[in-house]
Amino acid sequence: SQTIHQWPATLVQPVGSPLSLECTVEGTSNPNLYWYRQAAGRGLQLLFYSVGIGQISSEVPQNLSASRPQDRQFILSSKKLLLSDSGFYLCAWVSGGANVLTFGAGSRLTVL
Amino acid sequence: GQSLEQPSEVTAVEGAIVQINCTYQTSGFYGLSWYQQHDGGAPTFLSYNGLDGLEETGRFSSFLSRSDSYGYLLLQELQMKDSASYFCAVRDSSYKLIFGSGTRLLVRP
Repeated sequence: SQTIHQWPATLVQPVGSPLSLECTVEGTSNPNLYWYRQAAGRGLQLLFYSVGIGQISSEVPQNLSASRPQDRQFILSSKKLLLSDSGFYLCAWVSGGANVLTFGAGSRLTVL
Repeated sequence: GQSLEQPSEVTAVEGAIVQINCTYQTSGFYGLSWYQQHDGGAPTFLSYNGLDGLEETGRFSSFLSRSDSYGYLLLQELQMKDSASYFCAVRDSSYKLIFGSGTRLLVRP
């Protein structure tokens, strides 16, 4: 069966520090991968999506970046965090032409 | 641009029926989906409509009218555990899934 792992689950970082969130998918190949961010009590904002290794589409100009070094690995990074980067970061995958997004458990980031 | 509109909050009584509407405006359209999210958790898939009409999954049903760019999620026999946020989402032609701002459903006893 397919599973998605996301870590760390929670982190508190100072402004200006770097960030790395990792997401891996098991039990499938060539998934479409997504990073969303959710501010408290708000909707899901699409940040990045990837349809293959090294293929990243960015949706929102910001100080975040994403990489897909392996087929089932998706990484969200920042060189210098801002206060506005605080939120709930969700990784998700969908298989091929399917329309069902499966989310990881999420990473809750607080920037102080 | 792309946008999805849904009510911010709905309140209903346990055992009742509630409908959450979603209107969308996107560059392409490859189906409307619905997701449920409990506080502190990740969203989970509920239903998908690729064609016009009604899809039923247990107590939940979802409807789509592509000509009206409109859909809704219908929840029947409401239970306390249905209190959550509900999101509609549209996939456009480039594999992007765009979410609405969410509807917070509060079920009262």
